[in-house]
Amino acid sequence: DAGVIQSPRHEVTEMGQEVTLRCKPISGHDYLFWYRQTMMRGLELLIYFNNNVPIDDSGMPEDRFSAKMPNASFSTLKIQPSEPRDSAVYFCASSLTSGGPQETQYFGPGTRLLVL
Amino acid sequence: AQTVTQSQPEMSVQEAETVTLSCTYDTSESDYYLFWYKQPPSRQMILVIRQEAYKQQNATENRFSVNFQKAAKSFSLKISDSQLGDAAMYFCAYRSPNTGNQFYFGTGTSLTVIP
Repeated sequence: DAGVIQSPRHEVTEMGQEVTLRCKPISGHDYLFWYRQTMMRGLELLIYFNNNVPIDDSGMPEDRFSAKMPNASFSTLKIQPSEPRDSAVYFCASSLTSGGPQETQYFGPGTRLLVL
Repeated sequence: AQTVTQSQPEMSVQEAETVTLSCTYDTSESDYYLFWYKQPPSRQMILVIRQEAYKQQNATENRFSVNFQKAAKSFSLKISDSQLGDAAMYFCAYRSPNTGNQFYFGTGTSLTVIP
């Protein structure tokens, strides 16, 4: 299996621009998570989906952030408009609940976002 | 929400020596799962070891083992025969069956391995 795939791996953009991060979970996994990691705040859960349905988006910082999962193999996290404080590493992770209650999350390599 | 605390922001260990990373958590539940993840400079999050709360036996994975103290709500990671490749950020994580598949992560411990 290729694991969780994220694109792009690096993104540099200017303040005010729209940014779209992409994620392909491991095939068959029914949970998908978006995290943000910064030095100041550590690893934060932004939103997660179960069977393509958003379950908890309480971690989404503000209306500038939105996430979608149109099908089981693809999800996007969009920031519009982007701000310098959005600079962080964004991780996508997936997991399979039917694998057992001890099933772990598998992380993608992350997208390093820099907003100038 | 559950909280996971890693009180050691940084740790260092001499190569080939043993080091223990601490993790405590706050929960009122009796059934849950605990994990240690490793994040090397590449930023990839890698599962190191996991423990089911209902199991009394501590989990081990080669040079990695845990000391799970359920009453004390403590879940420490012991790395034996430390290697240079063990240098990374280590995150402790908690998962409850009652919160779906959501994980709660600690703030991490940065481990340096001294040659």
